Amino acid sequence: DAGVTQSPTHLIKTRGQHVTLRCSPISGHKSVSWYQQVLGQGPQFIFQYYEKEERGRGNFPDRFSARQFPNYSSELNVNALLLGDSALYLCASSLALSTQLYGYTFGSGTRLTVV
Amino acid sequence: GQQLNQSPQSMFIQEGEDVSMNCTSSSIFNTWLWYKQEPGEGPVLLIALYKAGELTSNGRLTAQFGITRKDSFLNISASIPSDVGIYFCAGQNTGNQFYFGTGTSLTVIP
Repeated sequence: DAGVTQSPTHLIKTRGQHVTLRCSPISGHKSVSWYQQVLGQGPQFIFQYYEKEERGRGNFPDRFSARQFPNYSSELNVNALLLGDSALYLCASSLALSTQLYGYTFGSGTRLTVV
Repeated sequence: GQQLNQSPQSMFIQEGEDVSMNCTSSSIFNTWLWYKQEPGEGPVLLIALYKAGELTSNGRLTAQFGITRKDSFLNISASIPSDVGIYFCAGQNTGNQFYFGTGTSLTVIP
């Protein structure tokens, strides 16, 4: 069984551009969460989606948005990129709307570099 | 936002030595978790703790949920080279929000 898959694995964008990151959860998992991990720090929660609805949002500006599709895959969109958006973006999936972080499996992430 | 402080920030130890790291918070958590992250990978769950005072083991790993609910520690016994990585604590508060610590980088010298 495939784990959580994220694409692309690496990405370089320039300031002001827009980026879309994609995540496919483990088969049968209906909940997806997104995290930002800046180099040298722990992951920070951005969004949680379950059954195509947003169920949680972290302390990130409106430039960050996401959605979940009927097949439970998800996209994270970031507009008007800033240098500070450079980070590893992690997707995590779980079987249900888990309120316990231990229920989540993380993907390997997308490394975004903004220049 | 919520800060979880981990210490030490990095450790360099000889193979076979025991390791101890801890995590402290300014507020109470209902759940404490410990993750390991290797280069190019996402975090992998090691141990989950659900109530104050709980002591849980997973092989050579042992973790405890502090009585005050504001701290947790992780011990690794008889370290081996494959223990190398960054260890993160994570906590879940009463509002079901999740926070990760700043990480402890572990290097094991054969």
